[in-house]
Amino acid sequence: GQSLEQPSEVTAVEGAIVQINCTYQTSGFYGLSWYQQHDGGAPTFLSYNGLDGLEETGRFSSFLSRSDSYGYLLLQELQMKDSASYFCAVRPRGGQNFVFGPGTRLSVLP
Amino acid sequence: ETGVTQTPRHLVMGMTNKKSLKCEQHLGHNAMYWYKQSAKKPLELMFVYNFKEQTENNSVPSRFSPECPNSSHLFLHLHTLQPEDSALYLCASSRRVRNQPQHFGDGTRLSIL
Repeated sequence: GQSLEQPSEVTAVEGAIVQINCTYQTSGFYGLSWYQQHDGGAPTFLSYNGLDGLEETGRFSSFLSRSDSYGYLLLQELQMKDSASYFCAVRPRGGQNFVFGPGTRLSVLP
Repeated sequence: ETGVTQTPRHLVMGMTNKKSLKCEQHLGHNAMYWYKQSAKKPLELMFVYNFKEQTENNSVPSRFSPECPNSSHLFLHLHTLQPEDSALYLCASSRRVRNQPQHFGDGTRLSIL
């Protein structure tokens, strides 16, 4: 089967850097994605890692290491508006659809 | 504006009622999805449609009945639901089935009395 693990909550202050980890147990997958969801809102796509390494998009970066079954989302120069839940997701090989992690609730404090 | 619109945003219904959730996307996507999001649980995929054809049903109880009349519209018909069905129901779409990224609607918050 496939399962992903994330910390349930992370707290940081404005301007700081925070890393949200995602570890997974799956036999094979196409890539690791990250989504952001504000309270009462829709999940929105942030990034995708199809290959190992770092992908950078503005203040957000995402990393994947298949050999370590591990990925993370890095948020820099935190802003209050970054307070939200963050989900990692994989699309396992074998014709199955996306499997989402349980989500990490990030609280950014002034 | 997410490009994926869901109505209603909130729904309260009794266990014997029949209601429908609606999803509409204006992104030109061919694949549409229904997800269930319960508190402190991962997003659960319920149904997948590709070019109006259902390609996946993740062991969803028959009290949930999807309908996809065209690539832009998706419905979820509800009847005789249980209290444990109370959750946020999210619709999503993508260019192709299983494709990144998925675009989500704001969801329908469903409460079963």
